[in-house]
Amino acid sequence: QVQLQQWGAGLLKPSGTLSLVCAVHGGSFRDYFWNWIRRPPGKGLEWIGEISHGGSTNYNPSLKSRVTISVDTSKSQFSLKLNSVTAADTAVYYCARGVGRLATIHLDDWGQGTLVTVSS
Amino acid sequence: EIVLTQSPATLSLSPGERATLSCRASLSIGNYLAWYQQKPGQAPRLLIYDASNRATGVPARFSGTGSGTDFTLTIGSLEPEDFAVYYCQQRTNWPPRLTFGGGTKVEIK
Repeated sequence: QVQLQQWGAGLLKPSGTLSLVCAVHGGSFRDYFWNWIRRPPGKGLEWIGEISHGGSTNYNPSLKSRVTISVDTSKSQFSLKLNSVTAADTAVYYCARGVGRLATIHLDDWGQGTLVTVSS
Repeated sequence: EIVLTQSPATLSLSPGERATLSCRASLSIGNYLAWYQQKPGQAPRLLIYDASNRATGVPARFSGTGSGTDFTLTIGSLEPEDFAVYYCQQRTNWPPRLTFGGGTKVEIK
């Protein structure tokens, strides 16, 4: 049974950089896409982006200019950086494993979530 | 860009009743649709993938149907723990992008 454990700073000032890490325990790191998703307060889920174990990335076009997702296969970890944050980036951020191929990809395991608040 | 539209936004029902949730895609997506349940303070949980396959451990009262542009999640008889928000999700190959619907909240009547 795979477990995803995530961590990172929960309070940021505007214009700062959000940084989160997700560690994958108990399962293979290969053959999956590793995702970041967020849920702003009172809103629905928003996909941020994904990375393969080989480092290939895809991003939500609305965030692409500010997002970097990277992977450390030696530690079975992947990371999210979002720069130039504003109050609109306040949300609970989740990491999740994408399973399947191409259009069939769905998210079968999730991290516990990290509340990130952007406030001066 | 494919847009997923969920309806209704809120569904008010009593325990034991049947819940029918809809997800409509702006373009045909075959049977490539997943459903998730999210309770307050918890991460989303995968319920259904490929439109009709239940994920591991999901009770049989949850069922998914549909293909093309119209999809339905049915909860056969609502249990107290089923009151939550439900999301549909799809992924396109090109451009590579994962999209969620806006969600349906199932609340106690």
